[in-house]
Amino acid sequence: NAGVTQTPKFRVLKTGQSMTLLCAQDMNHEYMYWYRQDPGMGLRLIHYSVGEGTTAKGEVPDGYNVSRLKKQNFLLGLESAAPSQTSVYFCASSSELAGVYNEQFFGPGTRLTVL
Amino acid sequence: GEDVEQSLFLSVREGDSSVINCTYTDSSSTYLYWYKQEPGAGLQLLTYIFSNMDMKQDQRLTVLLNKKDKHLSLRIADTQTGDSAIYFCAESMIKAAGNKLTFGGGTRVLVKP
Repeated sequence: NAGVTQTPKFRVLKTGQSMTLLCAQDMNHEYMYWYRQDPGMGLRLIHYSVGEGTTAKGEVPDGYNVSRLKKQNFLLGLESAAPSQTSVYFCASSSELAGVYNEQFFGPGTRLTVL
Repeated sequence: GEDVEQSLFLSVREGDSSVINCTYTDSSSTYLYWYKQEPGAGLQLLTYIFSNMDMKQDQRLTVLLNKKDKHLSLRIADTQTGDSAIYFCAESMIKAAGNKLTFGGGTRVLVKP
């Protein structure tokens, strides 16, 4: 099993450009998440999904959109990139079991620079 | 509200014990976690503790939970150079939609030979 994979690994954008980050998981997990990681601020949740066809806003959703058309994929879109979106983006997935500890499995990250 | 705080940096000599501290504010937290991030990689779950426990030990790792003070710590015994990484504590609530986690800012641990 590949676990959680992310593409691309690196990307440089100019202000105003758009792009889509792809996350894929092969663990049949219901829940998927997109985080951004900035120095000293830990991981902040951008959007998440509790199942195919559903998405919800996290802590810092502005400037991002997401789609979960297939259970195994979770896409993060930037419609008009801004320098403040320079960050490392992580995707994660977890099972839907309630009332038990929740291990989130993380991808290797995408390093995005917006000039 | 949810807020998780950690110190930024810890330096330790190889073979010594490391103690990483975390405070959280949400008293309804049910599970608390420690994740490890090695350079250039994603996070991996190290260990977790349920909120009705005071302590959990797993090989070189000991987790202590002080619910009264909302304080969580991770002790790594006999610290090795491979333990150099960023460590994140995180909290979750059973009833939170989507099993969301709230992460602290991370503690960078540097192990010196």
